[in-house]
Amino acid sequence: DIQVTQSPSSLSASVGDRVTITCRATQDIDVWLAWYQQKPGKAPNLLIYRASNLGSGVPSRFSGSRSGTEFTLTISNLQPDDFGTYYCLQYNRFSWTFGQGTKVEIK
Amino acid sequence: QVQLVESGGGVVQPGRSLRLSCAASGVNFSSYSMHWVRQAPGKGLEWVSVILYDGSKKNYVDSVKGRFTISRDNSKNTLFLQMNSLRVEDTSIYYCARAWENGMDVWGQGTPVTVSS
Repeated sequence: DIQVTQSPSSLSASVGDRVTITCRATQDIDVWLAWYQQKPGKAPNLLIYRASNLGSGVPSRFSGSRSGTEFTLTISNLQPDDFGTYYCLQYNRFSWTFGQGTKVEIK
Repeated sequence: QVQLVESGGGVVQPGRSLRLSCAASGVNFSSYSMHWVRQAPGKGLEWVSVILYDGSKKNYVDSVKGRFTISRDNSKNTLFLQMNSLRVEDTSIYYCARAWENGMDVWGQGTPVTVSS
């Protein structure tokens, strides 16, 4: 089975900072990785699909990229509302796996 | 707009069964594959199961294979998860989600399941 390793597990950044979160898959998954934001007590919200496509209604400060089996979520110009836990989700051969999560705190 | 509403969660003893439902509205339900995802208290998200739009193909995470069964009734716009032989480690909030671009785009609010003696 394909595994995905997400890093870091947590980070603290200031408003206006540029933040990057990484997921690395153990095998080639093409572009099949998505990113989600989850706030406490709420369901996850889709940010990025197919590695680099912005979800509906998602602010343009969120972006995704892919280099081989490494995927990156970038939040440019971090805003107070961007707190929460971020997860990647990989797909391969009719099976899905979430990353371990990255908790983002606003300083 | 698209809405997914889960129900059926509760407190159950180990070894017992529970059936979760997910009612869809505002969407052509029969055109979409659907997922169940769970989240244990204080833990991350875990994909549980998927069913194709017509019910013809299903898959499960290894930890629930042989115990959980996903199904759907497209005439009633409803997704189900039959959970048998429940274990303490199945305690989670269970979310249903619509499949889209090999991910999930619309999620329900979740229904809590607690397995405890």
